[in-house]
Amino acid sequence: EVRLAQSGAEVKKPGESLTISCAASGYVFDKSWIGWWRQTPGKGLEWMGMTYPDDHDSRYNPSFAGQIVLSADKSIATAHLQIYSLKAADTALYFCSRHRGAGYCSAANCWGFGVSDLWGQGTLVTVSS
Amino acid sequence: IVLTQSPGTLSLSPGERITLSCKVSQRISSTYLAWYQQKPGRAPILLIHGASNRATGIPDRFTGSGSGTDFTLTINRLEPEDSAVYLCHQYWTSPWTFGQGTKVEIK
Repeated sequence: EVRLAQSGAEVKKPGESLTISCAASGYVFDKSWIGWWRQTPGKGLEWMGMTYPDDHDSRYNPSFAGQIVLSADKSIATAHLQIYSLKAADTALYFCSRHRGAGYCSAANCWGFGVSDLWGQGTLVTVSS
Repeated sequence: IVLTQSPGTLSLSPGERITLSCKVSQRISSTYLAWYQQKPGRAPILLIHGASNRATGIPDRFTGSGSGTDFTLTINRLEPEDSAVYLCHQYWTSPWTFGQGTKVEIK
């Protein structure tokens, strides 16, 4: 079965860090970009960034750059999202997804990537003192 | 790129037909416009990619169309399980963006 399985819900205090994992199965993990998304009632679904497991290239939404680090471990077909300096506003549902197909990237932007056709089940993160 | 969806909420009966709108703030190739269905607390499910191509396993009651800056999703013969939020999404230029969604309630 083709799937992405995310790690479980987290409760953190402001200022702490966390790592969310996304384990892939049923397809060639190395050759598809993995995207990360944050969903809140106020801002909806926001793209945080994406990583390419084969060469560890990562691209970040400027809105999240500096607070997150994306990585992938090919040996266990798992991608990771690290979030630092958590705030209450980071309370959200986080998703990973697979981009079906790649496009082009410059230093600042990317174009024409494949649609996110496969999604993890989501990880609820609550940040509260 | 900003995607604006309308209407915000629809309440209809089973068997009806609905058309949802997604307006894009700048022209994009229809190749890079998708529609998703999302239920509370669940991951989005891909319905349509490339503006008009149904994803695997999606019934033909779901039809996407449009080009340039105006795209639509039509759902025929509504069923109770179609109650969800429908999201449009552009994957032409990063940062990839979603519309705010149209909530569909089946009475």
